[in-house]
Amino acid sequence: AQKVTQAQTEISVVEKEDVTLDCVYETRDTTYYLFWYKQPPSGELVFLIRRNSFDEQNEISGRYSWNFQKSTSSFNFTITASQVVDSAVYFCALSEARTGANNLFFGTGTRLTVIP
Amino acid sequence: GAGVSQSPSNKVTEKGKDVELRCDPISGHTALYWYRQSLGQGLEFLIYFQGNSAPDKSGLPSDRFSAERTGGSVSTLTIQRTQQEDSAVYLCASSSDTTSYEQYFGPGTRLTVT
Repeated sequence: AQKVTQAQTEISVVEKEDVTLDCVYETRDTTYYLFWYKQPPSGELVFLIRRNSFDEQNEISGRYSWNFQKSTSSFNFTITASQVVDSAVYFCALSEARTGANNLFFGTGTRLTVIP
Repeated sequence: GAGVSQSPSNKVTEKGKDVELRCDPISGHTALYWYRQSLGQGLEFLIYFQGNSAPDKSGLPSDRFSAERTGGSVSTLTIQRTQQEDSAVYLCASSSDTTSYEQYFGPGTRLTVT
């Protein structure tokens, strides 16, 4: 069965610190997609990144970077030089590429608070 | 519109009443999803529509929940005989089937059952 674990429920950091949000997943499919979404206090989920299971290259987008390691079934998210605007709940999610099914299975989220 | 829209933004209803929640997906997106976000259960998948195919209803929690999608665009999620445990934020998302699995979410409808 598919499962996404975000063991960190809440993290607080001081502005400008780096922070890594952990995500561990389980799936029996060989083809799957991993996502990170941000949910700011306004409530709307904002798409951040999608990776497919065949592409283990790490990705960097500005202050954000993602480390995908199939060997440990992890897809961790790092924010460099955190800012107050980064305060939000961050969700990791998994989608399995079975025929006709691409709904997202979400982790329980990590609430990040960046203290000015 | 530019993004996924949902209405109403908030709905308060009495236990036992029926409610309808609406979702307008991004124009041109053929896939539409409903999710529920509640304190106890996190984010749960409810139902998925893709084009004219039969919907994937595997996430609906009970037969009180149903959804339809008219004309391949607007979708309505109906909850009959609401219960207090139905209180949650109901989120709609859409995606284009030409861009693998990237879903864009609406602002949600906060449902409170009293």
